[in-house]
Amino acid sequence: DAGVTQSPTHLIKTRGQQVTLRCSPISGHKSVSWYQQVLGQGPQFIFQYYEKEERGRGNFPDRFSARQFPNYSSELNVNALLLGDSALYLCASSAVGTNEKLFFGSGTQLSVL
Amino acid sequence: GENVEQHPSTLSVQEGDSAVIKCTYSDSASNYFPWYKQELGKRPQLIIDIRSNVGEKKDQRIAVTLNKTAKHFSLHITETQPEDSAVYFCAATNPMFSGGYNKLIFGAGTRLAVHP
Repeated sequence: DAGVTQSPTHLIKTRGQQVTLRCSPISGHKSVSWYQQVLGQGPQFIFQYYEKEERGRGNFPDRFSARQFPNYSSELNVNALLLGDSALYLCASSAVGTNEKLFFGSGTQLSVL
Repeated sequence: GENVEQHPSTLSVQEGDSAVIKCTYSDSASNYFPWYKQELGKRPQLIIDIRSNVGEKKDQRIAVTLNKTAKHFSLHITETQPEDSAVYFCAATNPMFSGGYNKLIFGAGTRLAVHP
């Protein structure tokens, strides 16, 4: 049974560039959430998508956007990258009825130079 | 705003000893409290969770206790083993099932080292 998969695993970008991160949820899960984890800190909520609609947004600037596709996979986009965007970006999926129980992917390590 | 404080930030124990990690949350509406274990370079893994209508939950060597009045919850690991070494995160959430919306507020993590 495949878990949450994310791609790419690592990414290096320069300031001002744009990046797209991808996530495939566990089969049958319809909710996808994105979290940012800065080194040495706990993950911080960015977005939650459920049934292809944005259901919640954390305290992140408009440079961060996301979407969910009909197959429930999701993309996170970050524009105009800043050095401070360097972090591990985690995607999590959850099932209907237990949507607070999150199962995380291994993340995408983004380095902004 | 919503906040979860976690202590200690680092914890070192000898194999076989017990380890206790404590968290305090600010939002009294929080009703779900998971604990995640994150090994170096790996995904956070849910190891145990508790809901606000339960005071304690056990799963083999790990247990979680919840004190709603004091707004704190704790993770207890007994008979620790070297493979328990990892960063442990507590979290709190207030799921709004009607909208399918929820978010986890995480603590800053506890780095547990179990020495043979």
